[in-house]
Amino acid sequence: AQRVTQPEKLLSVFKGAPVELKCNYSYSGSPELFWYVQYSRQRLQLLLRHISRESIKGFTADLNKGETSFHLKKPFAQEEDSAMYYCALSGLGNTGKLIFGQGTTLQVKP
Amino acid sequence: NAGVTQTPKFQVLKTGQSMTLQCAQDMNHEYMSWYRQDPGMGLRLIHYSVGAGITDQGEVPNGYNVSRSTTEDFPLRLLSAAPSQTSVYFCASQGLTSPLHFGNGTRLTVT
Repeated sequence: AQRVTQPEKLLSVFKGAPVELKCNYSYSGSPELFWYVQYSRQRLQLLLRHISRESIKGFTADLNKGETSFHLKKPFAQEEDSAMYYCALSGLGNTGKLIFGQGTTLQVKP
Repeated sequence: NAGVTQTPKFQVLKTGQSMTLQCAQDMNHEYMSWYRQDPGMGLRLIHYSVGAGITDQGEVPNGYNVSRSTTEDFPLRLLSAAPSQTSVYFCASQGLTSPLHFGNGTRLTVT
């Protein structure tokens, strides 16, 4: 079964602390993995996609096929990072269809 | 560019009423989809379309209908609203080489 799991509903850290938002997936083929972010009362926005291998707003994520994980990391959290983060999966060729995890709320305290 | 536009932003319905959530995109994207967002459930795919005239069911299609008569528009119809359909609905579109673009969402309450 295709599934994305984000084990933490809420992650609370202090400003300047490292952040790791966990994401594990289950997929039989070759997936494409994404991280989307939703700031308060705003639309979901793409943060990262694994094929781009880039760093956005200081966040990085590496696809680990052995552990079927795509954890989102940032070395020093900022208050403006507070938001809901969703990990999502798409099968190659299944454009327009994403399977989302349950989401993790990141709260960065001053 | 407006991107993906959803209307209305808020809606309250009574059980049994019907309504249509509108979605339009101006990016000439082939793919469009509807998701519902519920606490603890993430986003779940309701229906999607890979082009004008082509639609298919997602994970939670029951109680919803869609049509795609043009590339730009992808309305979502609730035939007989139920309290279980209280949710935030997001429309999204995607081109062949672009990521998924979301609308601002419609917050629906069914009493």
